[in-house]
Amino acid sequence: GENVEQHPSTLSVQEGDSAVIKCTYSDSASNYFPWYKQELGKRPQLIIDIRSNVGEKKDQRIAVTLNKTAKHFSLHITETQPEDSAVYFCAARDSARQLTFGSGTQLTVLP
Amino acid sequence: EAGVVQSPRYKIIEKKQPVAFWCNPISGHNTLYWYLQNLGQGPELLIRYENEEAVDDSQLPKDRFSAERLKGVDSTLKIQPAELGDSAVYLCASSPREDGGELFFGEGSRLTVL
Repeated sequence: GENVEQHPSTLSVQEGDSAVIKCTYSDSASNYFPWYKQELGKRPQLIIDIRSNVGEKKDQRIAVTLNKTAKHFSLHITETQPEDSAVYFCAARDSARQLTFGSGTQLTVLP
Repeated sequence: EAGVVQSPRYKIIEKKQPVAFWCNPISGHNTLYWYLQNLGQGPELLIRYENEEAVDDSQLPKDRFSAERLKGVDSTLKIQPAELGDSAVYLCASSPREDGGELFFGEGSRLTVL
């Protein structure tokens, strides 16, 4: 099955700086890569996703890039704000349509 | 529109006792998932339903876990008997499409086994 590795496990940035979270996947047939944000005690919620036929996607302050050759994808958050503090999970959907999540990154935006 | 509804939100039981969790997906969503989330970890798939058919239950520990989705709508996840290591959050999610797309999660059911 698919194996998704996520780094770093914790990330602290100053308010206004950028944050980057990276994930690698193992199944070259994986074709869908979402990112979920989970605030403490709340449900995971989709913030952005990308399909394998696209190299980059942007939505206001967040963007995702995908390198299919290297089998890695990254989440970029610019102009970070305190409300961006949360746990972020990457995921990859493999050829069996199973969605496998990474282990998460605790992002802390310092005021 | 109501989101995915789960109950109970919290459950504390002693080991070897049974426990059941209930999930009501978003109306019209044919695909339903049960995930297990340990503290500080990402969700791990237990079972995926397409309508009432379990199409992926390879990660479900079938000696003690069971699930059903009658009439292709609500679903229940049961553990019998519960073990200490089952303490976790059990997340239900639904999706309108067979190929996945966005998953809509419920608030989760937090299980503590003493």
